[in-house]
Amino acid sequence: DIQMTQSPSSLSASVGDKVTITCQASQDITNSCNWYHQRPGKAPKLLIYDASRLEIGVPLTVSGRGYGTEFSLTISSLQSEDIGTYYCQQYAILPFTFGQGTKLEIK
Amino acid sequence: QVQLQGSGPGLVKPSETLSLTCLVSGYSISRSYYWGWIRQSPGRGLEWIGSIYHTGKTYYNPSLMSRATISVDTSKNEFSLRLSSLTAADTAVYYCARAGGIGSGNFDYWGQGTLVTVSS
Repeated sequence: DIQMTQSPSSLSASVGDKVTITCQASQDITNSCNWYHQRPGKAPKLLIYDASRLEIGVPLTVSGRGYGTEFSLTISSLQSEDIGTYYCQQYAILPFTFGQGTKLEIK
Repeated sequence: QVQLQGSGPGLVKPSETLSLTCLVSGYSISRSYYWGWIRQSPGRGLEWIGSIYHTGKTYYNPSLMSRATISVDTSKNEFSLRLSSLTAADTAVYYCARAGGIGSGNFDYWGQGTLVTVSS
């Protein structure tokens, strides 16, 4: 199975800060990387698909980039509603696999 | 508006079989997309279980060692998961989701999640 390794595992930042989360795939997945945001007690929500495409309704402060084995998610200006856990996921090769998550908190 | 509503028992005994159903509204399963099951536990994180197309074509995670069976009922616009030979390690929140995009790995609509506890 392809391993997706996220860093950091947790992150604390202030409102208005720029934050970046990275995800490394254990093998080349081209652009087959998605990003999800999960609030406590809720289902994950798709933010970014195909590494850099913004899902409809997601704020333009969110962006994704990467190709091959290195991917990143950036929030350009952190808002209070951005708290929660972020996950990357690959769909290049079955079985689909997820990263272990990055927990984002507000300082 | 696409909505998924999962349902099933919250408590099942070890060695028994879990049955979960996901009712889809706002979109006909027969039109397109794959429909999948994903589970989440503190120890295993998010784990894809498998997906099904309206024709009945299925893909499964080999880690489940053939214990999982996903089926679809287009007349009821719902799909189901059966997971056999349960152990405590199967305790998790089970989500149903719609899967689209290239490779059908983009889970864009999710159910609310069903907490399943395996215990005697």
